Amino acid sequence: DSGVTQTPKHLITATGQRVTLRCSPRSGDLSVYWYQQSLDQGLQFLIQYYNGEERAKGNILERFSAQQFPDLHSELNLSSLELGDSALYFCASSVGRGSSYEQYFGPGTRLTVT
Amino acid sequence: AQKITQTQPGMFVQEKEAVTLDCTYDTSDQSYGLFWYKQPSSGEMIFLIYQGSYDEQNATEGRYSLNFQKARKSANLVISASQLGDSAMYFCAMRGPISSGSARQLTFGSGTQLTVLP
Repeated sequence: DSGVTQTPKHLITATGQRVTLRCSPRSGDLSVYWYQQSLDQGLQFLIQYYNGEERAKGNILERFSAQQFPDLHSELNLSSLELGDSALYFCASSVGRGSSYEQYFGPGTRLTVT
Repeated sequence: AQKITQTQPGMFVQEKEAVTLDCTYDTSDQSYGLFWYKQPSSGEMIFLIYQGSYDEQNATEGRYSLNFQKARKSANLVISASQLGDSAMYFCAMRGPISSGSARQLTFGSGTQLTVLP
């Protein structure tokens, strides 16, 4: 158990809908990262927050947005969903400083868009 | 830009044998970090081992060791005494320099599916 929690574990929804994925980082970790894992794109970095502020952006679509709240949990909002958004979405957390920056991953949310 | 290449889509190893999973990387940075993660069929990503570009010794964590050859830009994972529970997808990943924004994200390879045979 990495200490990172994600809800829900599975999500099935229809095209055009909007969903919210939730992540709670490990105790003491200030950084939260979101990744998308799909068969065709592999594992891709989406966005990072550090102590409530956006710090880095990767291949995140404009239809997607995220935020980190004062209690450090984070939410990833996916809107106007398309079939191609079906993927495993991971949240990871790290201390956000130090020499290694190792990231600990949550169990993921498997999103299926039908 | 950073790039990670894992050329072995699938590997088989006999139980109790050692296995090496290949990883090569491309970066123009002098400072970077290399990671290996394990993803069992259940889907979670498990951190295994980390190697910093300035670390003089190869990293080891239990049965895992990282064979770091900086000049060749390779960071192979060696698993000793394979166990059935080692069957999983293994991902090599890297981050950029701590001082740069690219430290804040991991770039992953395409993964190697390891199957341990009884």
